[in-house]
Amino acid sequence: EVQLVESGGDLVQPGGSLTVSCAASGFSFSDAWMSWVRQAPGKGLEWVGRIKSKSKGGTTEYAAPVKDRFTISRDDSKNTLSLQMNSLKAEDTALYYCTKLDFGDYVTPQFWGQGALVTVSS
Amino acid sequence: DVVMTQSPLSLPVTLGQPASISCRSGQSLLYSDGNTYLSWFHQRPGQSPRRLIYQVSNRDSGVPDRFSGSGSGTDFTLKISRVEAEDVGLYYCMQGSHWPITFGQGTRLAIK
Repeated sequence: EVQLVESGGDLVQPGGSLTVSCAASGFSFSDAWMSWVRQAPGKGLEWVGRIKSKSKGGTTEYAAPVKDRFTISRDDSKNTLSLQMNSLKAEDTALYYCTKLDFGDYVTPQFWGQGALVTVSS
Repeated sequence: DVVMTQSPLSLPVTLGQPASISCRSGQSLLYSDGNTYLSWFHQRPGQSPRRLIYQVSNRDSGVPDRFSGSGSGTDFTLKISRVEAEDVGLYYCMQGSHWPITFGQGTRLAIK
């Protein structure tokens, strides 16, 4: 059974930094492409970015609102995905979902975690 | 960015009756490999989203066959043949044919 468990959500001040993590199990993490999707309170879903498997280069892609502030990384030895967030703004307040992308297309979130809540406020 | 427009945004339905949600994209979602990367997700209150449909019309494992997806190009539809109580919540379409990935604004299905 695929399991994705996020952790690290917290209250952080504007301009601050935070890292949320995702522990993955039930599938070959090293072969998987992974992504982060966020949902602001009472709002819809927003793509944050994705990371390819190391065998496909391990490169990352980001949505414009977070580019140059957020960094996605992976530790295949620990089956862990991370999202480092810098220069946080109030509009980054959201539930951050870790997702496993479909092997067939590498873009569609096939499995989702329960989310980590990040609140940016003074 | 490709804008995904869903309608209606609110959908009250009587139990046992059919329901239909439309999703229109700002440009064709037919990708150069011949596939169309349009998916549908369902999010029950307080839960994470769950994928229902991928590549327009393929149901995910465990998804009841009362759910079906159709469409091509820029116009897509999710249909529920007979709504059940567990179908309440938000429904989102998502396109993966163009970067960045974008979602529709969501349709809230409620029981009348």
